[in-house]
Amino acid sequence: GAGVSQSPRYKVAKRGQDVALRCDPISGHVSLFWYQQALGQGPEFLTYFQNEAQLDKSGLPSDRFFAERPEGSVSTLKIQRTQQEDSAVYLCASSWGQQGAYEQYFGPGTRLTVT
Amino acid sequence: AQSVAQPEDQVNVAEGNPLTVKCTYSVSGNPYLFWYVQYPNRGLQFLLKYITGDNLVKGSYGFEAEFNKSQTSFHLKKPSALVSDSALYFCAVRDTTGRALTFGSGTRLQVQP
Repeated sequence: GAGVSQSPRYKVAKRGQDVALRCDPISGHVSLFWYQQALGQGPEFLTYFQNEAQLDKSGLPSDRFFAERPEGSVSTLKIQRTQQEDSAVYLCASSWGQQGAYEQYFGPGTRLTVT
Repeated sequence: AQSVAQPEDQVNVAEGNPLTVKCTYSVSGNPYLFWYVQYPNRGLQFLLKYITGDNLVKGSYGFEAEFNKSQTSFHLKKPSALVSDSALYFCAVRDTTGRALTFGSGTRLQVQP
């Protein structure tokens, strides 16, 4: 079956622009995560959804970052007034269950470059 | 707070030789441990996980990992490396109450023919 897909794969934004990044999780997966991966680093947690409920947004770096998953499937990560420090790869992951023992399946990521 | 350390930025090994990629962790309570591999311009692919039970876990592509509670380690191993194993490897941990993964900084594995 299809894996996690993300779009766009690459996004160049001018500083101050708003961007929206889309994630299509594996069908039926309850849990959805967003991570930010800076160059040469491991992914860092941003936010977590269980179905449509955003249960943890402790990793969002500022109030310019906003995520939603209104119908418990597709999710969008929105960044307002982008800054250069927002340049990174944004990874989406989904997992079947709610418990932490389930592995997460990652999409290919969206590489955001803010100029 | 939980954390993961991957002490080697890069590991070089000749094709056909055994390989080890090191990982140590810190977490409150019992850990869930994971290994992922990342190829260029692609997302992370799940290799294996330790949840409970046997300390030696077998995963995809011939990889295995050994959980050592006393040393808080979860090293990734493979008996015979392939050139196609060359990639970036990430160790990750989650405590039993959490959901988000905490990743190490990654280890680049280079297998020479």
